Amino acid sequence: EAQVTQNPRYLITVTGKKLTVTCSQNMNHEYMSWYRQDPGLGLRQIYYSMNVEVTDKGDVPEGYKVSRKEKRNFPLILESPSPNQTSLYFCASSLSGGFGQYFGPGTRLTVT
Amino acid sequence: KNEVEQSPQNLTAQEGEFITINCSYSVGISALHWLQQHPGGGIVSLFMLSSGKKKHGRLIATINIQEKHSSLHITASHPRDSAVYICAAPNSGNTPLVFGKGTRLSVIA
Repeated sequence: EAQVTQNPRYLITVTGKKLTVTCSQNMNHEYMSWYRQDPGLGLRQIYYSMNVEVTDKGDVPEGYKVSRKEKRNFPLILESPSPNQTSLYFCASSLSGGFGQYFGPGTRLTVT
Repeated sequence: KNEVEQSPQNLTAQEGEFITINCSYSVGISALHWLQQHPGGGIVSLFMLSSGKKKHGRLIATINIQEKHSSLHITASHPRDSAVYICAAPNSGNTPLVFGKGTRLSVIA
């Protein structure tokens, strides 16, 4: 079954404690992306990757890091999480570019 | 940067009604994307269209590239159509995507 998986699905953590949210797709997609969704602001792009070892900033990259060492994986790293990073995070992938994206189930992160 | 605006923000309809959600954008694009977010949070891609009209079941999406406007129509609405509908357009080329804030649709039986 074609899918994008994210882990963990729910996470409560404290300020400053480094964390990683994993994202994996099984469709051999070149394009992967991370979004955050906040009430009243909608979905906003954090980072995206056009292919292995190629990543670029989206609209709200501050406080986040990504890496794309393998085609299937695109982890999101928060080196020092802060409360303003409390949000619902989605990973997505597509064959190419931003269209026809498959979305993961979301990760709800709370930073206290 | 492309500005994407949706209207209305919230919409309540009776079952069976014809529904229209509008999306406008500020910068010319090659194609536009409609997404559906279920009450549980999951996001599904509905349409990607670059011209004219596309239909899938009771859902119809239209786009007017010259007027920078797209509409999503739902015919014979049903309570299971209750969701947030989001349009998205690229900033340049195909990426990154800029999203509208969404239209929350509630269909009442």
